[in-house]
Amino acid sequence: AQTVTQSQPEMSVQEAETVTLSCTYDTSESDYYLFWYKQPPSRQMILVIRQEAYKQQNATENRFSVNFQKAAKSFSLKISDSQLGDAAMYFCAYRGNSGNTPLVFGKGTRLSVIA
Amino acid sequence: DTGVSQNPRHKITKRGQNVTFRCDPISEHNRLYWYRQTLGQGPEFLTYFQNEAQLEKSRLLSDRFSAERPKGSFSTLEIQRTEQGDSAMYLCASSSGGGRNTIYFGEGSWLTVV
Repeated sequence: AQTVTQSQPEMSVQEAETVTLSCTYDTSESDYYLFWYKQPPSRQMILVIRQEAYKQQNATENRFSVNFQKAAKSFSLKISDSQLGDAAMYFCAYRGNSGNTPLVFGKGTRLSVIA
Repeated sequence: DTGVSQNPRHKITKRGQNVTFRCDPISEHNRLYWYRQTLGQGPEFLTYFQNEAQLEKSRLLSDRFSAERPKGSFSTLEIQRTEQGDSAMYLCASSSGGGRNTIYFGEGSWLTVV
């Protein structure tokens, strides 16, 4: 079974600074997708960024980028120019590409942004 | 596109009672998922529908849990004879396909069993 591990329960960053959230995963599949989701307090979970495993180029969405290391099974999220609105729980998630596989989530990292 | 809608948002029930949650997915999304999330944990997969067919169920979905999606549109999740361990947020999500397709989540239904 696939597992996702987020080793940082909590992180903090100064406003306008950069922070990196870590994620590792375990799978025997070669084709899959990785996601970072953001869950603000009492708000719904929204997709931040996704990475296809077959792509070597790291995904980027505005201030959010990933460092995808397929051999190391590592998928970290970098948030640049952090803003107060970035404060939230961040979940790393894995999804296989075979049939009906659901999203498998890590336990999350709570990010605080200090003004 | 009104997003994934879940009702009720909060439910407090006595142990042993039955509860039902409803989920309205994004229109035309053929896939619908139920997850459970407890404090300090990531969402855990419960079950998944493609149209009206329930294609996968997690071992977390005990016999007291039943989910339906009768016409391939909205879905209900019923918990019978609730236990305190059922207290959690129940998340519904939908997507238009598998793989790289974005899974959209609702705001969740909080269940507290007292």
